[in-house]
Amino acid sequence: NAGVTQTPKFQVLKTGQSMTLQCAQDMNHEYMSWYRQDPGMGLRLIHYSVGAGITDQGEVPNGYNVSRSTTEDFPLRLLSAAPSQTSVYFCASRTRGRSYEQYFGPGTRLTVT
Amino acid sequence: AQTVTQSQPEMSVQEAETVTLSCTYDTSESDYYLFWYKQPPSRQMILVIRQEAYKQQNATENRFSVNFQKAAKSFSLKISDSQLGDAAMYFCAYTRYGGSQGNLIFGKGTKLSVKP
Repeated sequence: NAGVTQTPKFQVLKTGQSMTLQCAQDMNHEYMSWYRQDPGMGLRLIHYSVGAGITDQGEVPNGYNVSRSTTEDFPLRLLSAAPSQTSVYFCASRTRGRSYEQYFGPGTRLTVT
Repeated sequence: AQTVTQSQPEMSVQEAETVTLSCTYDTSESDYYLFWYKQPPSRQMILVIRQEAYKQQNATENRFSVNFQKAAKSFSLKISDSQLGDAAMYFCAYTRYGGSQGNLIFGKGTKLSVKP
């Protein structure tokens, strides 16, 4: 199993540009989430999904869009990049059940200039 | 709203010694999970240890153990026989059982340095 994969690993955008961060998992997990990590802030939840076709907002959803058409993929879209979106982005997944253990991808470092 | 607080932005320990990282949390729930994640310079988030609130026994994973004080809402991580590879950011995290689909609330992290 590859686990949770994210692409790209690094990205530089100009203000106003749009892009999609890719996330895929091969563990057949129902739940997937996106977090952002800023210096001194820990990780904060952006959006999450409990299954194909179902998404919901987390703590910091503004400026981001998600959709989930398959169990495996959960892309995160930046509609119009802003310098405040410079961050490291993590995708995570977990299975239904009581363990509640989340499996994280390797992260994407995004810089918006 | 639930919150997680790590009051030690940085800690240092001598190799082979023991260090304890602190974490407190605020919740009105009775059934929840607590986690410690390690983030080395590679950036990968690695689960170190997990505690279920309904279990009174403290969790242990090899050199890592927790001191879970439910009434005090405290969840500290003890690392014994510290190794150079333990140097990393450590995050305490909380999730409510049955709610928010298991999404995690993180503390701000503690940076642990290990001196040879």
